[in-house]
Amino acid sequence: NAGVTQTPKFRILKIGQSMTLQCAQDMNHNYMYWYRQDPGMGLKLIYYSVGAGITDKGEVPNGYNVSRSTTEDFPLRLELAAPSQTSVYFCASSYSTGGGEKLFFGSGTQLSVL
Amino acid sequence: GENVEQHPSTLSVQEGDSAVIKCTYSDSASNYFPWYKQELGKRPQLIIDIRSNVGEKKDQRIAVTLNKTAKHFSLHITETQPEDSAVYFCAARGNQAGTALIFGKGTTLSVSS
Repeated sequence: NAGVTQTPKFRILKIGQSMTLQCAQDMNHNYMYWYRQDPGMGLKLIYYSVGAGITDKGEVPNGYNVSRSTTEDFPLRLELAAPSQTSVYFCASSYSTGGGEKLFFGSGTQLSVL
Repeated sequence: GENVEQHPSTLSVQEGDSAVIKCTYSDSASNYFPWYKQELGKRPQLIIDIRSNVGEKKDQRIAVTLNKTAKHFSLHITETQPEDSAVYFCAARGNQAGTALIFGKGTTLSVSS
């Protein structure tokens, strides 16, 4: 099992550009999440999904979009990138709630918007 | 929605001392409280968790306590070692189906030998 795979690992964007952060898991987890991590600010939930075709906003969804067409993939789309979106982005997955809430994190994507 | 406050933001101890990190949560319906450890440049990893029907849980040198009435929970690390140096995050999750973990801002623990 590869676990949770994120690509790319690093990316530099210019203000106003768009990009998609890819996330895939091979553990057949129902739940998938996107968090961003800024220094001293912890992990902030951007979007999450409880299954294919179902997504929900987290704490900081503005400027991002997601889709969940398959159980395995949960891409995060940045439209019109802004410097405030400079961060480390972590994708995670877990089994359904009720005993399997352990989050399995990807290795992260370090994004700089200049 | 849920809000999790974590203190202190930094903690420095000598090797062998104990370390305590405290968190409070706002949603009285939350029922799951994990702790994650993140070493420098690595991804967060679960180290221990506790559910609302349990007051304390221990795993070797780490323990977590939960006070539902006061809505706070704490991580206790005994006999600290240099390899315990990392950022520790607490989190809480509501009991509604389909809710997600909300994290605190993290505590940077430094253990000096």
